[in-house]
Amino acid sequence: SQQGEEDPQALSIQEGENATMNCSYKTSINNLQWYRQNSGRGLVHLILIRSNEREKHSGRLRVTLDTSKKSSSLLITASRAADTASYFCATDARGYSTLTFGKGTMLLVSP
Amino acid sequence: GAVVSQHPSRVICKSGTSVKIECRSLDFQATTMFWYRQFPKQSLMLMATSNEGSKATYEQGVEKDKFLINHASLTLSTLTVTSAHPEDSSFYICSARPRQGPRYNEQFFGPGTRLTVL
Repeated sequence: SQQGEEDPQALSIQEGENATMNCSYKTSINNLQWYRQNSGRGLVHLILIRSNEREKHSGRLRVTLDTSKKSSSLLITASRAADTASYFCATDARGYSTLTFGKGTMLLVSP
Repeated sequence: GAVVSQHPSRVICKSGTSVKIECRSLDFQATTMFWYRQFPKQSLMLMATSNEGSKATYEQGVEKDKFLINHASLTLSTLTVTSAHPEDSSFYICSARPRQGPRYNEQFFGPGTRLTVL
């Protein structure tokens, strides 16, 4: 069964707006990672946050992790049309980098 | 750095044939490689974990005789879909975990292989 569940399933916004995606998981984790996938393409690693971290930034990306609620959020600020993609969270719960992916959020950013 | 390639990127085959997909880490050594499959508009499902020089570990429900995995070197893993059927049509993605270095906890993904079985 899948570990992560993202919401919303789909998000449509205008360029310049912020996009927030959430991920919930069920078991204890070592780290949580966010990936991006353009249609029909491979995955691009965006950011990794460890279980003892609460917030992490990378450029226009901000990730938070709340282990007490078993949830994470990905915020993309000042979105661009090129941010249009599917975004997945993935949890590493087994301790040897085996990832379990959530169902993903499809983000559409309109010019 | 940390580039992973897959070959072929797209393959169409007849039902009953076998298809081999290669996954290579181009600029790093990977002790562990992972194989996923992804159906349209769905998430990635881990099929198996491949360790160099040892047998692959398959996830529950994945037939090891159907999906043969070989990890013969630190830079190459292959997935062979044997006697492929239309229900095996999917997007197959591999990833590789670096043997060492500051990013050894991460997985680097290949671009995927689209398999269509007629």
